[in-house]
Amino acid sequence: QVQLRGSGPGLVKPSETLSLTCTVSGGSISSYYWGCIRQPPGKGLEWIGYIYYSGSTIYNPSLNSRVTISLDTSKNQFSLKLNSVTAADTAVYYCVRGAGWLPHSWGQGTLVTVSS
Amino acid sequence: EIVLTQSPGTLSLSPGERATLSCRASQSVGNNYLAWYEQKPGQAPRLLIYDASTRATGVPDRFSGSGSGTDFTLTISRLEPEDFAVYYCHQYATSPLTFGGGTRVEIK
Repeated sequence: QVQLRGSGPGLVKPSETLSLTCTVSGGSISSYYWGCIRQPPGKGLEWIGYIYYSGSTIYNPSLNSRVTISLDTSKNQFSLKLNSVTAADTAVYYCVRGAGWLPHSWGQGTLVTVSS
Repeated sequence: EIVLTQSPGTLSLSPGERATLSCRASQSVGNNYLAWYEQKPGQAPRLLIYDASTRATGVPDRFSGSGSGTDFTLTISRLEPEDFAVYYCHQYATSPLTFGGGTRVEIK
């Protein structure tokens, strides 16, 4: 059974870049879609984007200009970068594996707070 | 963008009762690519239903999904104590993928 574990700084300053690394175990990253979904405290879910194992990406247009998702197949990892963050980007960030575009498997979530 | 509207916002029921949750889409969801997730406090969402009516692996048969086009329903036939949670619908047919605002099922 695939497992996803997110890691990265829990605190990011405004205007800086949020970085999240998702490590995949129990399966190869060389298939499926891989991506991120976030949830501000006490609020609903927002899809950020996906990367396909081939390297093609699709992002939420609301974040498109600020987000990059990349793959490192040698480490069985994928990474999220979100630049120019504000307090509105404070959220629990989930690493997900997509069966097609269906978010099928989820990591436990990583809280990232944007604050000076 | 497909906007998903869930109703009611909160459902107050007793164990053993039937729960009916609604999800309405602002436009037709292609291929009925509509999923339902359950989320408990401090946990990641758990996939219950996909393709509008297919139960995910290990999901009890008291959970069922129905609907097509723009109107979808999640039914929990008899609520168990562990079913009190927040439920989200999600469309994965069209980018950007979107979620409903959630329905909280609470103990009456």
